[in-house]
Amino acid sequence: GAGVSQSPRYKVAKRGQDVALRCDPISGHVSLFWYQQALGQGPEFLTYFQNEAQLDKSGLPSDRFFAERPEGSVSTLKIQRTQQEDSAVYLCASSLWRRVGETQYFGPGTRLLVL
Amino acid sequence: SQQGEEDPQALSIQEGENATMNCSYKTSINNLQWYRQNSGRGLVHLILIRSNEREKHSGRLRVTLDTSKKSSSLLITASRAADTASYFCATDTSGSRLTFGEGTQLTVNP
Repeated sequence: GAGVSQSPRYKVAKRGQDVALRCDPISGHVSLFWYQQALGQGPEFLTYFQNEAQLDKSGLPSDRFFAERPEGSVSTLKIQRTQQEDSAVYLCASSLWRRVGETQYFGPGTRLLVL
Repeated sequence: SQQGEEDPQALSIQEGENATMNCSYKTSINNLQWYRQNSGRGLVHLILIRSNEREKHSGRLRVTLDTSKKSSSLLITASRAADTASYFCATDTSGSRLTFGEGTQLTVNP
């Protein structure tokens, strides 16, 4: 595809529900990143994959958050038992390699609202 | 946690004027990048400046970096209404994750 795509674009969940957010990176990109962006704030790092390996998950806020990339392409961010504080935009980015200074290409994000 | 702090938080100018945004950070970096985000959209990479560079230009953009002061500035010259967006600086310390500031909301009035 032309760029990083994410689905759904908008998700409304009731507190306690599980949600799954999907990211399709640019074809051939090795690295994939998830960020969380609260309203009026800059994005904050959640986790990073190189191919199918999750190399850094230090930014995941709790064990309710889980990410996977089983075949090294599409990634899913799952949030279990959603809470109101999980409401944010979840951004996915990909880059060709894992190299210092490699440009990260961002998707449009999934806006999650937990009621 | 946020690494960078940007100022101003909001900036409103007239079309044709220059816009300057500043970013400060706390730790040593490999490079610093600037991104733009239009309302409801993803981030678009604008420019990257490496830690051993002091100034870089790209079209109407000029970025400076002062590693001794741990600060950077983004200058947009001859602004256009289409430049209206949020601008974020992001530092790269590890070659993987980016650490973003809180952003500057720029409004360019026609």
